[in-house]
Amino acid sequence: NAGVTQTPKFQVLKTGQSMTLQCAQDMNHEYMSWYRQDPGMGLRLIHYSVGAGITDQGEVPNGYNVSRSTTEDFPLRLLSAAPSQTSVYFCASLRLGSYEQYFGPGTRLTVT
Amino acid sequence: KQEVTQIPAALSVPEGENLVLNCSFTDSAIYNLQWFRQDPGKGLTSLLLIQSSQREQTSGRLNASLDKSSGRSTLYIAASQPGDSATYLCAVFTGANSKLTFGKGITLSVRP
Repeated sequence: NAGVTQTPKFQVLKTGQSMTLQCAQDMNHEYMSWYRQDPGMGLRLIHYSVGAGITDQGEVPNGYNVSRSTTEDFPLRLLSAAPSQTSVYFCASLRLGSYEQYFGPGTRLTVT
Repeated sequence: KQEVTQIPAALSVPEGENLVLNCSFTDSAIYNLQWFRQDPGKGLTSLLLIQSSQREQTSGRLNASLDKSSGRSTLYIAASQPGDSATYLCAVFTGANSKLTFGKGITLSVRP
């Protein structure tokens, strides 16, 4: 199993540009989520999904969109990048039963 | 609202020392607690998962305990090594929003 994979690893955007951060998992986990990690703020939940076709907002959803068309994939879209979205983004999936979370390697995003 | 606290924010110890990292949380209605390790610029590696019905979990030189009623967990590292230098994060899962609530982490430095 590859586990949770994320692409790209690094990205630089200009203010106003849009992009999609990709996340995939091959563990057949129903739950997936996106976090951002900022110095001094810890990890905060952006959006989450409890299954294909079902998504909901976390703590800091503004400026981000998600969709979940398959169990495997959970892309995060930045609609119009802002410098405040400079962060490290982590995708995670959750194993039902144990409720153990598995994290991807992260995407480091800089918005100039 | 669940809050997770890890104090101190940083710790420096000489190699070979046994050490304890503390984590406290405000709402005892949790499904589980996970300890993660994060190396600089890297993703989160799950170290130990303790279910709410368990008191402790062990993996090699690591032992994590959970006292749900008092809202506390400890991560015990035996015979610390320079390779243990990293940031250690604890996180609790309450089931709401499939969200993990993270502490801000303890940055551990083990001096040779």
